Amino acid sequence: QVHLVQSGAEVKQPGASVKVSCSASGYPFNGYGFTWVRQAPGQGLEWVGWISAFSGSTDYAPKFRNRVTMTTDISTRTAYMELRNLTPDDTAVYYCARDQRTQWYRPDSVDVWAQGTMVTVSS
Amino acid sequence: EIVMTQSPLSLAVTLGEPASMSCRSNQSLLHGDEFNYLDWYLQRPGHSPQLLIYVGSTRASGVPDRFSGSGSGTDFKLQISRVEAEDVGVYYCMQTLQSLTFGGGTRVEIK
Repeated sequence: QVHLVQSGAEVKQPGASVKVSCSASGYPFNGYGFTWVRQAPGQGLEWVGWISAFSGSTDYAPKFRNRVTMTTDISTRTAYMELRNLTPDDTAVYYCARDQRTQWYRPDSVDVWAQGTMVTVSS
Repeated sequence: EIVMTQSPLSLAVTLGEPASMSCRSNQSLLHGDEFNYLDWYLQRPGHSPQLLIYVGSTRASGVPDRFSGSGSGTDFKLQISRVEAEDVGVYYCMQTLQSLTFGGGTRVEIK
């Protein structure tokens, strides 16, 4: 069974960085990409970016492009999202989700979601 | 950037009755392969989103057939033929033609 599990909640000060992990099981890890989405309290879904575990290609949303890095580690079957220079506006639940299609070359529909990680930015 | 607009913001429906919601994009989502790159997701209260419909009208695995997606180009619709209690939540459309962008969501509640 395909399963994604994220790391636990984080509390950070403004200006700090956060790195959220997403551990995958139940399928060939390097066959699929990961999308990261965030949801501020009481708000809608916002796409952060995408990484292919197959090729290492990335595609970041313009508003995050200069302070986000997404990576994957095939040996531990884990995807990571690091967001730098945090502000209170970054307070949100961050989700990872798996591409629906294998070895796809760009961001795709996502059919498996993790449980989300709450990131709180506060002084 | 492709901008997605959903309407209405919220919808109150009687159990067993149909429901319909719309999603509009500022650019055509119709690709040269003749697929419309538009998804629908449902986020139930307190849960992660789940995929309902992809490429405009194809139901994802395990999605009941009371859900149907339609439309082409810039105008799309999600219909629920007979609303059940488990359908409560927020419905999001998302385009997958150029990177990804979500609509603002339509909240469905039971009257």
